[in-house]
Amino acid sequence: EVQLVESGGGLVQPGRSLRLSCTASGFTFADYVMHWVRQAPGKGLEWVSGINRNSGSVGYAVSVKGRFTISRDNAKNSLYLQMNSLRPEDTALYYCTKDVGFTLFSPGANAFDYWGQGSLVTVSS
Amino acid sequence: QSALTQPASVSGSPGQSITISCTGTSDDVGGYNFVSWYQQHPGQAPKLIIYDVSNRPSSVSNRLSGSKSGNTASLTISGLQAEDEADYFCSSYTSIITPSYVFGTGTKVTVL
Repeated sequence: EVQLVESGGGLVQPGRSLRLSCTASGFTFADYVMHWVRQAPGKGLEWVSGINRNSGSVGYAVSVKGRFTISRDNAKNSLYLQMNSLRPEDTALYYCTKDVGFTLFSPGANAFDYWGQGSLVTVSS
Repeated sequence: QSALTQPASVSGSPGQSITISCTGTSDDVGGYNFVSWYQQHPGQAPKLIIYDVSNRPSSVSNRLSGSKSGNTASLTISGLQAEDEADYFCSSYTSIITPSYVFGTGTKVTVL
């Protein structure tokens, strides 16, 4: 059974940093593209970032580019999101998601077939 | 990137069919066959129900189907059941500005 478990969320002041982690199990983590998707309270979904299986290619939403950094450790079956210069509008539930495919932004990928339960990040003074 | 446009709500009686639209541009929905749909029940994580416009994961009911015409993708739910009451979001790959993904505004489906 595929499981994705996020951790690292919490309350943080504007301008500060936070690092989210996601531990995966039940599939060969190193074979798949992984993403972070967020959902502000009572709002819709927003793609945040994605990373290729070998970390050779990454992508970011315009809203977080330059502030957030995605990374992964295939040996530890783990995905990370380093979030710097946090803003109140970054407040959301952050989901770790698995892509259906192997190569970021390529045919055979581009859908999120497994999701964690999310880690809540609240940015407020 | 602007969110894809979905109706805020759609409703139907048990057994009926409903269709949810998802309208974008030639830079996303219209330009690529990388549209996916997600179902989200209250308090739960989203679930993938359609990928690549019309493909269905093996665990998803064949009452759900997807299609696309021009810049608009659609999700049809046939034989509406109480368990279908949920929020539905579309998503598409987009190449505008930088490669990324854009989600729809979301549609609340109510079973009357």
